[in-house]
Amino acid sequence: EPEVTQTPSHQVTQMGQEVILRCVPISNHLYFYWYRQILGQKVEFLVSFYNNEISEKSEIFDDQFSVERPDGSNFTLKIRSTKLEDSAMYFCASNRRGNTGELFFGEGSRLTVL
Amino acid sequence: QKEVEQNSGPLSVPEGAIASLNCTYSDRVSQSFFWYRQYSGKSPELIMSIYSNGDKEDGRFTAQLNKASQYVSLLIRDSQPSDSATYLCAVSRTNAGKSTFGDGTTLTVKP
Repeated sequence: EPEVTQTPSHQVTQMGQEVILRCVPISNHLYFYWYRQILGQKVEFLVSFYNNEISEKSEIFDDQFSVERPDGSNFTLKIRSTKLEDSAMYFCASNRRGNTGELFFGEGSRLTVL
Repeated sequence: QKEVEQNSGPLSVPEGAIASLNCTYSDRVSQSFFWYRQYSGKSPELIMSIYSNGDKEDGRFTAQLNKASQYVSLLIRDSQPSDSATYLCAVSRTNAGKSTFGDGTTLTVKP
């Protein structure tokens, strides 16, 4: 069964460093998302992406964050200058053709900012 | 008021019993409703989606939606220890828009 893949599974970085998290969504899906989950807290929406542009973003997704789909398969989340509070599990998700709204999540990338 | 509120847990049921998970939402224009299961340290996994009022059954799982009451529930029949997980209720205004998640209810099924 097709799945969403994410790399790296865990990244440790120093505060102020740039981080890029990578995702390969399911191939025939049209909508792509990043969510995050701080340890012990709820899953929070960051951004949605459709037709090569951001369709919606949350208040969390400030100027430090950016997304792109550089080559038609990968979908990346970049954090320009990481803060301690960016430490979280970041989940990529995609939505199947037909816009059912059902999210298929990757295994997540755990980001630890020291 | 939280956008998506789930009954506080943890919830513990014996093996074979029915587990009942509840969720209320505040946005009246919500159109799509989902239940995800999240094992500890893992990503959410979709188990049920429901879009219209009434019941939807899939195996041991039944989702119930009442838009007038802004209420969604999930029933798990014949609960198994493998059902022990955190169950997340999620709500979306559209089929392709963001989903807003509740805090989750942790279910433990005791053998």
